[in-house]
Amino acid sequence: NAGVTQTPKFRILKIGQSMTLQCTQDMNHNYMYWYRQDPGMGLKLIYYSVGAGITDKGEVPNGYNVSRSTTEDFPLRLELAAPSQTSVYFCASRDLSGGVSEQYFGPGTRLTVT
Amino acid sequence: DAKTTQPPSMDCAEGRAANLPCNHSTISGNEYVYWYRQIHSQGPQYIIHGLKNNETNEMASLIITEDRKSSTLILPHATLRDTAVYYCIVRSHGSGNTGKLIFGQGTTLQVKP
Repeated sequence: NAGVTQTPKFRILKIGQSMTLQCTQDMNHNYMYWYRQDPGMGLKLIYYSVGAGITDKGEVPNGYNVSRSTTEDFPLRLELAAPSQTSVYFCASRDLSGGVSEQYFGPGTRLTVT
Repeated sequence: DAKTTQPPSMDCAEGRAANLPCNHSTISGNEYVYWYRQIHSQGPQYIIHGLKNNETNEMASLIITEDRKSSTLILPHATLRDTAVYYCIVRSHGSGNTGKLIFGQGTTLQVKP
């Protein structure tokens, strides 16, 4: 299994541009999450999904949108990039079944908005 | 989910045990203690979790006090590769829980040769 994969690894955007951060998992996990991490800080939850077709807001959803049309994919959309969205973005997934429910994280996407 | 308090940084000599404390004085009965670590800006990695009994796996041991208000993560023989930020997170396993993790700032563990 590749686990959780994210593309791109790095991206520089100009203010006002839009882009989609891709996240794919091959573990057939129901739950998927998007976090952002600002320098020196812990991760903050942006959006999450409990299954295909179901998404919900986390702590910091403003400026982002998500969709979940398949179990495998959970893309994050930035419509009008702002400097405040400069951050590292992590996608994660989790299995619904079983007592252990750790999250598996991808390697991250480093985004700079200038 | 209960908040946690961790020291911002700790040092440990290579080969010695690293003991990382965490306070979670407002933890409730159905909340578990989870530990993750993040090595050099990679994605966080799950280490261990527990409810009230001590737990051990191939990576670490978790000691939870009897009143459950604090816990200690133990890396028995720290190596340079264990240098990372360690996050203690408390969250419930109750019905309808979505598994969301609330990260604090964690403890930066520096393992020194």
